Amino acid sequence: GAGVSQSPSNKVTEKGKDVELRCDPISGHTALYWYRQRLGQGLEFLIYFQGNSAPDKSGLPSDRFSAERTGESVSTLTIQRTQQEDSAVYLCASSPGTESRYTFGSGTRLTVV
Amino acid sequence: KQEVTQIPAALSVPEGENLVLNCSFTDSAIYNLQWFRQDPGKGLTSLLLIQSSQREQTSGRLNASLDKSSGRSTLYIAASQPGDSATYLCAVPNSGYSTLTFGKGTMLLVSP
Repeated sequence: GAGVSQSPSNKVTEKGKDVELRCDPISGHTALYWYRQRLGQGLEFLIYFQGNSAPDKSGLPSDRFSAERTGESVSTLTIQRTQQEDSAVYLCASSPGTESRYTFGSGTRLTVV
Repeated sequence: KQEVTQIPAALSVPEGENLVLNCSFTDSAIYNLQWFRQDPGKGLTSLLLIQSSQREQTSGRLNASLDKSSGRSTLYIAASQPGDSATYLCAVPNSGYSTLTFGKGTMLLVSP
């Protein structure tokens, strides 16, 4: 596609529920990244994919967070048993390679109530 | 671990002023540096990417410089306009990893 697409754009969920966030990167971009931005904070790295593999999962904050990528395309970030501190904007980016410009999606705003 | 600091945290200027945003990073072994713009409620837009072999990169009224040895980059905005109002972030690669560390950004407000 023309840009990085994320869905949903907004998600309100009850504490304890599971959520899935989706990212459609630009076609042909081999690298895909997930970041989190809490209100008033900087961007926090979560996980990075090269193809369908995740060489760096160091940013996932707990075992409640997981992500996968299939077909070197779509990626899904799953948060299980959501907590209020998970409330943030989750941003996805893709790039042709790891040394190239990133293109970001518009993000998913997650609110846990 | 790479750390990125941006100064000032916020800046308010009248339209037409030239301004400079600063970025510093702790690990100078980087292969590039990127400047991004973030509008409220939206994702980030890449403005400029400077390779480690370059000292400057220009796009329109934007000019970014990179001094690896001192761990600094500046973003110069000429003849600022209200449409430039946004948060500007710089980002550098993490040591040994293929991901970026971001600064917290400079929130710019340009008044008509």
